[in-house]
Amino acid sequence: SQQGEEDPQALSIQEGENATMNCSYKTSINNLQWYRQNSGRGLVHLILIRSNEREKHSGRLRVTLDTSKKSSSLLITASRAADTASYFCAPGIIAPIQGAQKLVFGQGTRLTINP
Amino acid sequence: DTAVSQTPKYLVTQMGNDKSIKCEQNLGHDTMYWYKQDSKKFLKIMFSYNNKELIINETVPNRFSPKSPDKAHLNLHINSLELGDSAVYFCASSQVSRAGGPYEQYFGPGTRLTVT
Repeated sequence: SQQGEEDPQALSIQEGENATMNCSYKTSINNLQWYRQNSGRGLVHLILIRSNEREKHSGRLRVTLDTSKKSSSLLITASRAADTASYFCAPGIIAPIQGAQKLVFGQGTRLTINP
Repeated sequence: DTAVSQTPKYLVTQMGNDKSIKCEQNLGHDTMYWYKQDSKKFLKIMFSYNNKELIINETVPNRFSPKSPDKAHLNLHINSLELGDSAVYFCASSQVSRAGGPYEQYFGPGTRLTVT
């Protein structure tokens, strides 16, 4: 399965600290995406990294991808209380049929930022 | 303006009933998806449609039937509901991954289905 598996399952840190979440997967991918889900809400896209990229930044987010190890990490710097949410990685492949993209999510990492 | 909307937000029904969940996107996307999130937060893809054509069909009981009247709508009909169908169902949309892809997916707010 190419399902993304996040580690740790739960992470609790103090506001201002950095949060690092890891993701592993098992098959070859075209891209890997990270999403955030606030409690009781839908998922919100954070960042997409292609298989030929090694690192990508977006504001306080930094994502790395190591295709040789089939792993990715999401770093949130200078965390804020509003960052409290579940974070999901989603390895993606592009199926040959009409360019369909299949993302397979895991269970997510539950991040709690303590004020 | 709501990009991806779902109705209803909550759905409580008894075993054996048939119910539908509606999804609409106003983003002009060609591709739409249905996902199921269980109580342990695992999010699994169920179906994907591109321009009203089914392109992804995961191992889902045939009691679940998606219907796409046009590319902006993807509805999910569930027959003979079972207790195990209780979950949160999310609709999503994205551009088609042709030249320039892949693209991110935009999710709806979810429909919490409770089967009693």
